[in-house]
Amino acid sequence: ETGVTQSPTHLIKTRGQQVTLRCSSQSGHNTVSWYQQALGQGPQFIFQYYREEENGRGNFPPRFSGLQFPNYSSELNVNALELDDSALYLCASSSPDREIVNEQFFGPGTRLTVL
Amino acid sequence: AQSVSQHNHHVILSEAASLELGCNYSYGGTVNLFWYVQYPGQHLQLLLKYFSGDPLVKGIKGFEAEFIKSKFSFNLRKPSVQWSDTAEYFCAVNAYTGGFKTIFGAGTRLFVKA
Repeated sequence: ETGVTQSPTHLIKTRGQQVTLRCSSQSGHNTVSWYQQALGQGPQFIFQYYREEENGRGNFPPRFSGLQFPNYSSELNVNALELDDSALYLCASSSPDREIVNEQFFGPGTRLTVL
Repeated sequence: AQSVSQHNHHVILSEAASLELGCNYSYGGTVNLFWYVQYPGQHLQLLLKYFSGDPLVKGIKGFEAEFIKSKFSFNLRKPSVQWSDTAEYFCAVNAYTGGFKTIFGAGTRLFVKA
């Protein structure tokens, strides 16, 4: 069973640029959530996708957007990067039951640095 | 708005000491509750979860947590910690509020002295 994978592991961008982060779900999972974890803080919920549709969203501006593909892999896109976007971005997948939130399996994260 | 508070940011214990990490949440509706752990150099992983039923839930590695609805609390406990329990612990709450949201606490860093 393959776990959750994320790419790239590290990324350096400058203010105003755009970035795309990628996530492959654990086998059999069709729900993906994205989190932002700043240094010394807990993960902050960005949004969740279930069967290619956004299923919930946290308090992040519209420049944070996502996609989920038919194979349930996912992308997080951030436009007009700001210095405060520097963080670890975590992807988590969970098993296919919309009515019950099950255990989330986390990937290793992508460390984004905005200069 | 939903929020999760973890009472201690850093805890230092000696091996065999008992552990209790506090977690309080603010949300009036039905919630699902989790404790996740992140060992040094590893991914976040589930320690235990509560959806319904017995408010005392048992997880991996001898951890347990008690859901007290009247206090909006979900405290994590372990009777006797080991050096290998050194990690960061996160409490999380999931609820449906027009869409699913999972809110994490800020985390508690536990260091267990051998």
